[in-house]
Amino acid sequence: QSALTQPASVSGSPGQSITISCTGTSSDVGGYNYVSWYQQHPGKAPKLMIYDVSNRPSGVSSRFSGSQSGNTASLTISGLQAEDEADYYCSSYTSSSSLVFGGGTKLTVL
Amino acid sequence: QVQLQESGPGLVKPSQTLSLTCTVSGGSISSGDYYWSWIRQPPGKGLEWIGYIDHSGTTYYNPSLKSRVTISVDTSKNQFSLKLTSVTAADTAVYYCARDQGRSGFGFDYWGQGTLVTVSS
Repeated sequence: QSALTQPASVSGSPGQSITISCTGTSSDVGGYNYVSWYQQHPGKAPKLMIYDVSNRPSGVSSRFSGSQSGNTASLTISGLQAEDEADYYCSSYTSSSSLVFGGGTKLTVL
Repeated sequence: QVQLQESGPGLVKPSQTLSLTCTVSGGSISSGDYYWSWIRQPPGKGLEWIGYIDHSGTTYYNPSLKSRVTISVDTSKNQFSLKLTSVTAADTAVYYCARDQGRSGFGFDYWGQGTLVTVSS
């Protein structure tokens, strides 16, 4: 199974909004409403930010939102803050009853 | 509060078997509502899902690793384990255990801190 496609890097200034895309196929992202997003700071374990495409776990800021259109899912962060600087990964359930991650996106807050 | 903790050797020789255990506290593996997973991350690279197991022992594996992976569960100890055979340097990574929310939603809501396993002679 191939990794989902994410941009290697994105950047934005404090207060701005950014969007990270995650592109798959009809056998994963496009076939199910099962996409999740993770934030990972250096040396730390990933943290769940979005599940089931657009749901936020308790405690995650409302500045984080998720959406999906066809084979592409997106994570939007509004009102960028310095602490949002991290690596972000998407993940999707697949038609072979497995799971695949994206390659990861490094977010830089300018 | 659910906590997961990985344990096992930090150094494995090429061609040998990597064995790790994840101990779960603050919740029961037997509850039946979740999937218990192994995920790895080579140094400086992205995440790779290895596989998961449910409370009954049903397993799902990454097709690219399936021939070398075994995940098992010991509900009496509230632990689940990973065995990866015939390791090479490419298996050097931080290995995480994590809980998938299962019926509550697709996503890993609790993670261990990760343990670095180096494959080297």
